[in-house]
Amino acid sequence: GNSVTQMEGPVTLSEEAFLTINCTYTATGYPSLFWYVQYPGEGLQLLLKATKADDKGSNKGFEATYRKETTSFHLEKGSVQVSDSAVYFCALSPSSGSARQLTFGSGTQLTVLP
Amino acid sequence: GAGVSQSPSNKVTEKGKDVELRCDPISGHTALYWYRQSLGQGLEFLIYFQGNSAPDKSGLPSDRFSAERTGGSVSTLTIQRTQQEDSAVYLCASSLNPAEKTQYFGPGTRLLVL
Repeated sequence: GNSVTQMEGPVTLSEEAFLTINCTYTATGYPSLFWYVQYPGEGLQLLLKATKADDKGSNKGFEATYRKETTSFHLEKGSVQVSDSAVYFCALSPSSGSARQLTFGSGTQLTVLP
Repeated sequence: GAGVSQSPSNKVTEKGKDVELRCDPISGHTALYWYRQSLGQGLEFLIYFQGNSAPDKSGLPSDRFSAERTGGSVSTLTIQRTQQEDSAVYLCASSLNPAEKTQYFGPGTRLLVL
């Protein structure tokens, strides 16, 4: 079956530090890949996505590149801010089958200190 | 435009009681999903609706859980004879159609079973 393995947290960084959150997946074919973010007390928000190999998703300074050869979709940001403190979820949607439910990683808690 | 809405935002109930959770998807979205977010299990898929087709119930954890979607829009998730392990945040998401992989999430209903 499909699965997503995400870097264990929590991650604590100082403001302006570089961020990487690792994500690898197992799926047949070419799934679509997503990063969702959950700010404290809020629901899941789509951060970025990529639907085919070598695509780069980007939003709010965050980037992730769909690497088919390494089955990875690592999230990066060059300079984090305190407002980036949240839980980040990597997810995939399968390329085949009638349903498109998301399979999520376990989430990574990020805390950015001023 | 309006996003996915869910009600109630919080629900406290006693073990053994039935609860109903409501989801209003984004207008025009034909695909609707329910997920559960709990500490021990992360984010789990529960059920999927697409138009007037029979729902995919493969993620429902027991026969105490059921859901319906009326008129292809509003959905209700019902949990009968609630147990303490049902305590979780129940998230609803919708997408334009199954081919559109991006799902948009509501704020969730936080359920606490005493």
